[in-house]
Amino acid sequence: GEDVEQSLFLSVREGDSSVINCTYTDSSSTYLYWYKQEPGAGLQLLTYIFSNMDMKQDQRLTVLLNKKDKHLSLRIADTQTGDSAIYFCAANTGGFKTIFGAGTRLFVKA
Amino acid sequence: EADIYQTPRYLVIGTGKKITLECSQTMGHDKMYWYQQDPGMELHLIHYSYGVNSTEKGDLSSESTVSRIRTEHFPLTLESARPSHTSQYLCASSDLQGSTYNEQFFGPGTRLTVL
Repeated sequence: GEDVEQSLFLSVREGDSSVINCTYTDSSSTYLYWYKQEPGAGLQLLTYIFSNMDMKQDQRLTVLLNKKDKHLSLRIADTQTGDSAIYFCAANTGGFKTIFGAGTRLFVKA
Repeated sequence: EADIYQTPRYLVIGTGKKITLECSQTMGHDKMYWYQQDPGMELHLIHYSYGVNSTEKGDLSSESTVSRIRTEHFPLTLESARPSHTSQYLCASSDLQGSTYNEQFFGPGTRLTVL
């Protein structure tokens, strides 16, 4: 079955760019997502990308998809302390089930 | 903003007690899910539902049960809580018909501690 892996921690300085990486195993994944979880809250969808796209940009967020390597990344430009959270990569093959990674904890130092 | 609610937000309870975690959504979504999330770990799907009277077990074996008598309501019940049930439980929903990208909307979670 699908497996989604991501590094557990990332620390950046305020104002720098953050890049969070993710790999998935199922090449038939149709939708790939980035969710954000703030302390004590549920997950909130940040952005998503279809498998037929290479890149998607949404304000400070840039998602890059390398289908050949099954690699997804999320770049946050001008990272702010409010961006400190856990970021989950997730993949869906078009059915009901979405597989989530373990989450990357982003620490932003002032 | 997503309208999906979970109560209680925090629960500390003794071993052997029966508990029900509530989840409600006002978006009319057909699909609903329960995930278990240990601190620093990935989400594990424990139950899901396609609609009223539909319930299925997820990937992670769980001693909990669910019911879906109404579209908006998807409660999770533990008949006899044990310390191994200590975890965060996240409820989510998605629109089977209307969504083009299967976005799931999450509730704030219930953090359960069993002593």
